[in-house]
Amino acid sequence: DGGITQSPKYLFRKEGQNVTLSCEQNLNHDAMYWYRQDPGQGLRLIYYSQIVNDFQKGDIAEGYSVSREKKESFPLTVTSAQKNPTAFYLCASSTSTATEAFFGQGTRLTVV
Amino acid sequence: AQSVTQPDIHITVSEGASLELRCNYSYGATPYLFWYVQSPGQGLQLLLKYFSGDTLVQGIKGFEAEFKRSQSSFNLRKPSVHWSDAAEYFCAVGPSGSARQLTFGSGTQLTVLP
Repeated sequence: DGGITQSPKYLFRKEGQNVTLSCEQNLNHDAMYWYRQDPGQGLRLIYYSQIVNDFQKGDIAEGYSVSREKKESFPLTVTSAQKNPTAFYLCASSTSTATEAFFGQGTRLTVV
Repeated sequence: AQSVTQPDIHITVSEGASLELRCNYSYGATPYLFWYVQSPGQGLQLLLKYFSGDTLVQGIKGFEAEFKRSQSSFNLRKPSVHWSDAAEYFCAVGPSGSARQLTFGSGTQLTVLP
């Protein structure tokens, strides 16, 4: 089945550590996105990539990094510079002529 | 700048009752409008979308939405709610369907009473 797979579903991090969230899609989509979701708030865009080896900052990129070495993969690293990383992270993808975005099931990151 | 307002943070309805979730947007031109649903701990699923044409849009799971330009609204409706509809609902607006250009509302949490 085609779709977007995010892993792990739950992730715990100690303060000062970097962690990487995985996002893989087999939809053959060109564009991929990372969103952060906090309770009572809408989704906020962290990073997006329109093509392989290229990505752009979204609205809240500070403390995060990404790579896009393969079309199907867009991992997100939450660095120690992110002061409040506890949140629900959603990956999405779309075609280059997108009329809608498809979302993964999310990763819940908790700093302990 | 585009923006979306979902005035109702939480709505409770009885199973079988009708439902209307409100969405007001601010955008300079004709927007692309979306409704997504999110079950607890899950990703977002697209319910329906509006780009142009007929202002009454039919979606999945028996949902529909009506685009009213004069009121800058895109309210979501369902004539008879099922217990499985309990979830959080997000309205989104943008100049295209591209996720990087979408602005999401803060969501409406729907509780369905038996």
